[in-house]
Amino acid sequence: SQKIEQNSEALNIQEGKTATLTCNYTNYSPAYLQWYRQDPGRGPVFLLLIRENEKEKRKERLKVTFDTTLKQSLFHITASQPADSATYLCALDGDQTGANNLFFGTGTRLTVIP
Amino acid sequence: EADIYQTPRYLVIGTGKKITLECSQTMGHDKMYWYQQDPGMELHLIHYSYGVNSTEKGDLSSESTVSRIRTEHFPLTLESARPSHTSQYLCASSESPLETQYFGPGTRLLVL
Repeated sequence: SQKIEQNSEALNIQEGKTATLTCNYTNYSPAYLQWYRQDPGRGPVFLLLIRENEKEKRKERLKVTFDTTLKQSLFHITASQPADSATYLCALDGDQTGANNLFFGTGTRLTVIP
Repeated sequence: EADIYQTPRYLVIGTGKKITLECSQTMGHDKMYWYQQDPGMELHLIHYSYGVNSTEKGDLSSESTVSRIRTEHFPLTLESARPSHTSQYLCASSESPLETQYFGPGTRLLVL
């Protein structure tokens, strides 16, 4: 199955700056990769999906890139706000059994400081 | 807001008790999932279903069982709860495999 690594467990940035989170995978390239946000005690909420043939995807202040050569996705939040503070998870299909289930990384906890 | 519900939200129970965690979705999704998540850890898939009468075990071994008699309902049962079952259990659904998953709010289980 896939091994997924997300950079640092915690990331603190100043309000207004751009937060950049990293997701690396080690095995075969997924058909697509997803990013979710999870607040404490809540279920994850879907943010963005990027397919293997797409280099970049945007949604409002969010941007995701996908580099299948580097086996890496970057997730950017521009003009960050304290309300963006949460844990961000990347997820991708992790096996070739045909079950097509998602595997989730451990997440990066982002804190935006006012 | 996703239309997927879990009850109870919190459950404290003694060792040896039988419990059922409920999960319902009103989106008509065929695929449903149960994940287990400990604090600060990743989500681990414990069960999934492709549709009615379909149930499969996930990548994390679990003593729980599931059933899928109706499309909208995917309950998880523990016949005899133990302290090692203490965790957060998250239910999710998706329209098709690998597509966006919609999560419920979770059930936080504490077994004493």
